[in-house]
Amino acid sequence: GAVVSQHPSRVICKSGTSVKIECRSLDFQATTMFWYRQFPKKSLMLMATSNEGSKATYEQGVEKDKFLINHASLTLSTLTVTSAHPEDSSFYICSARDRNYKLAGGYEQYFGPGTRLTVT
Amino acid sequence: TQLLEQSPQFLSIQEGENLTVYCNSSSVFSSLQWYRQEPGEGPVLLVTVVTGGEVKKLKRLTFQFGDARKDSSLHITAAQPGDTGLYLCAGYPSGYSTLTFGKGTMLLVSP
Repeated sequence: GAVVSQHPSRVICKSGTSVKIECRSLDFQATTMFWYRQFPKKSLMLMATSNEGSKATYEQGVEKDKFLINHASLTLSTLTVTSAHPEDSSFYICSARDRNYKLAGGYEQYFGPGTRLTVT
Repeated sequence: TQLLEQSPQFLSIQEGENLTVYCNSSSVFSSLQWYRQEPGEGPVLLVTVVTGGEVKKLKRLTFQFGDARKDSSLHITAAQPGDTGLYLCAGYPSGYSTLTFGKGTMLLVSP
């Protein structure tokens, strides 16, 4: 259980175009989803947190107009990179959280396989 | 400042050796998680520790949560090339619902 999928796994786009990445929780309902960015051999950097049906909360330094996040249902969140530039090339990972009552913190996060974005 | 200090950042060892990765903080965490990530893939959850002093074993991997819930360690016995990857510790500081990550430990196990 607790599977998160991402689509596409790899995408190459031209500078100035927009790219949409989908994140789905396959066997649980995700009240909250997260989008991360990761540089080679580095840890994950949180970009934004989205709760189903409400606006995403962006981390400091992340442009909300450039990285549009929509969390329209309990199983789907999308990240759209608008007017992409080569510096947006990166590995984007989504994560979904299901309430796990067994944990003291009440939450457990599961990660998607990532999307490699290359902007030429 | 980094809330979770993970060390070492890089580790290159020979097959059969033992190793320990540390994750330390000055803050108390309600839970800590360890992930393993291979190149081009997302992180895969290995274990979650919740109780201070807790020890969990996963085959050759032993995870420990400090008594004060401020630190954790991952010990691998007789490492194998298949253990190669980026190991990430992450946790929820008490009172917070955002997962905080360490900087990761890149492990390379050579045959």
